[in-house]
Parts: sequence; C-alpha cells; structure tokens
Amino acid sequence: AQSVTQLGSHVSVSEGALVLLRCNYSSSVPPYLFWYVQYPNQGLQLLLKYTTGATLVKGINGFEAEFKKSETSFHLTKPSAHMSDAAEYFCAVSGPNTGGFKTIFGAGTRLFVKA
Amino acid sequence: IAGITQAPTSQILAAGRRMTLRCTQDMRHNAMYWYRQDLGLGLRLIHYSNTAGTTGKGEVPDGYSVSRANTDDFPLTLASAVPSQTSVYFCASSRTSSGGSNYGYTFGSGTRLTVV
Repeated sequence: AQSVTQLGSHVSVSEGALVLLRCNYSSSVPPYLFWYVQYPNQGLQLLLKYTTGATLVKGINGFEAEFKKSETSFHLTKPSAHMSDAAEYFCAVSGPNTGGFKTIFGAGTRLFVKA
Repeated sequence: IAGITQAPTSQILAAGRRMTLRCTQDMRHNAMYWYRQDLGLGLRLIHYSNTAGTTGKGEVPDGYSVSRANTDDFPLTLASAVPSQTSVYFCASSRTSSGGSNYGYTFGSGTRLTVV
C-alpha cells in the first residue's frame, strides 16, 4: 500500500527566504503526486501535480516541486516566501496501489512566514 | 464559477440526531469523495463514488452513509451522530480517465460539524 510522509508538521521561514516543504512517498510503481494548499477556513486547492514527463513541475504562486524517483521524494519549494504563503500544505499520492487511484494525503505541514 | 457547493457551512448537532451534509458539483466530474479533516490526522477518506449509481467505502466509513443518485449530488448522512464525528468535512470531485484519476481534486469549502 502507498503512503505519504511529510517531514515537519510546522515550518517557519522569514519573508523572502527559501521555502522547502518535504514529502516522501512509498510506492513500488511510479505514482501520481500532488501538492495542495489550504488557507484558513477554506478547502484544499491544487497547487501542482506530477503525472508523467518532466520531473520538475511548476505550480501556482511561484511554487515548484521535483519528482525524484531514486529518493521517492516530491519536495515543494519556492525561492522567496511571501506573507500570503502562510497556509497548510498537503502532499498527496495517487496510483494503482492506492485502491483504484484514490488519493492518499499526508498529514500536512503548516507554513508560517515571519515579517 | 464552477465548483463544489457544500451545505451547511457549520452545524452544532445533538448526539443521537440524524444529519445529512449536502454536496453539489457543476463540473460534470465522474468521481466524488467525502473526507474528514482532524488536527494531526490530515484528511481521511470516508466514502467515495467513481460514477453515478456506485459508491464505495473509504478508510473511516463507520457511522456514515452516502448515495449517488446523479452525477452532481453526493450527500453524506450521519444516521446517529456521536461526539467522535466532530470534524470538518470536505467534499471533493475529480475527472477520471481509463488509467485512473490523475487530474487532481476540486474541493468544497467544508462543513464544520460539532456533535455535543
């Protein structure tokens, strides 16, 4: 069965600093990988996804993530944090080993951005 | 704007009462899902439906039921609410392909339910 591990339930960065949110998955076959963002009192919003092709994917709001099969990772980065990036971020995986391509979510990482 | 509408946005419910959370989408997505979100546990799948007329159990189905009479609607019913069902409930939908769902999900804004 596939699983998703997000390292760090809370990450704090200064405004303008690099954002790095870590995600590792366990899968015997290449999965589909996603990052979602959740702002307070809202539903989750798709940030970016990897299905096939280029392993570096770009999403909304300047975020990007790189699929590294050898490391089973899909870390989310942004070169320069903005106050508006403060939110909770969820890594997710979908594929043939998640029970009919259902999506499995990580526990989430809350990003704090300091002025 | 196309998307998912959930109702109510919040509810306080007495234990033992029956409650139906409503979810409607206007994107003609085949698949729909119900998740609950609890602090420290992320999102857990309650029930899902791959297409109208079919439903399936997720990770935490006990105490909940769903129906999918048409493409747009996917209500979640708590037959007899208990305090452990206090949570934020999210409905989601997705397109599906022959190879599986790889388009990502669209989420509603959630229903905050408190069972007392």
